[in-house]
Amino acid sequence: AAGVIQSPRHLIKEKRETATLKCYPIPRHDTVYWYQQGPGQDPQFLISFYEKMQSDKGSIPDRFSAQQFSDYHSELNMSSLELGDSALYFCASSRQSGGRFYEQYFGPGTRLTVT
Amino acid sequence: AQTVTQSQPEMSVQEAETVTLSCTYDTSESNYYLFWYKQPPSRQMILVIRQEAYKQQNATENRFSVNFQKAAKSFSLKISDSQLGDTAMYFCAFMNRNTGTASKLTFGTGTRLQVTL
Repeated sequence: AAGVIQSPRHLIKEKRETATLKCYPIPRHDTVYWYQQGPGQDPQFLISFYEKMQSDKGSIPDRFSAQQFSDYHSELNMSSLELGDSALYFCASSRQSGGRFYEQYFGPGTRLTVT
Repeated sequence: AQTVTQSQPEMSVQEAETVTLSCTYDTSESNYYLFWYKQPPSRQMILVIRQEAYKQQNATENRFSVNFQKAAKSFSLKISDSQLGDTAMYFCAFMNRNTGTASKLTFGTGTRLQVTL
């Protein structure tokens, strides 16, 4: 079965640079979520999109922005990168039916290292 | 706001034995999902099992089963016939179902399970 695709899988950036992470949801999934997982921590929710509209927002820094496109893929844009942004970034997708959202399936993650 | 607590940072079990991982949660919501996710050394987050709060019957997926006690807000995972491939970090997670928004997963801090020979 098709899974969530994330690219790139690894990314190395310097402080103050910009990074763009991409996510392609499972076919027929219309909802995308972004999570950040620091070393030894549980994933923390950043933001979610349903039908190309922002749906819920968590602890996402103002330096980060995201959007969902007409083909349902999503991009997370990160500017003015800081050392503390080094983490594993997960995208997850789910489907919606009758106003209810179902279980989230995760991609393999993008490992961002800021030097 | 909801919280998820996993009080066992690490556990160990021998191959072919049974192990139970604990999870408790706190919420004022009535309609929600609970999940167990597995994160092996590859760091992939893999959905193991889900439970819908309105269902009294405990979910089962092959060797994995849960003990869902709604009144006690407890949601434990039992792994039977443990295999070396079960070695991973296991996260318990909560998701509110009735908000009308694409709600976040709230995770516990995880239990690291080591399966030994």
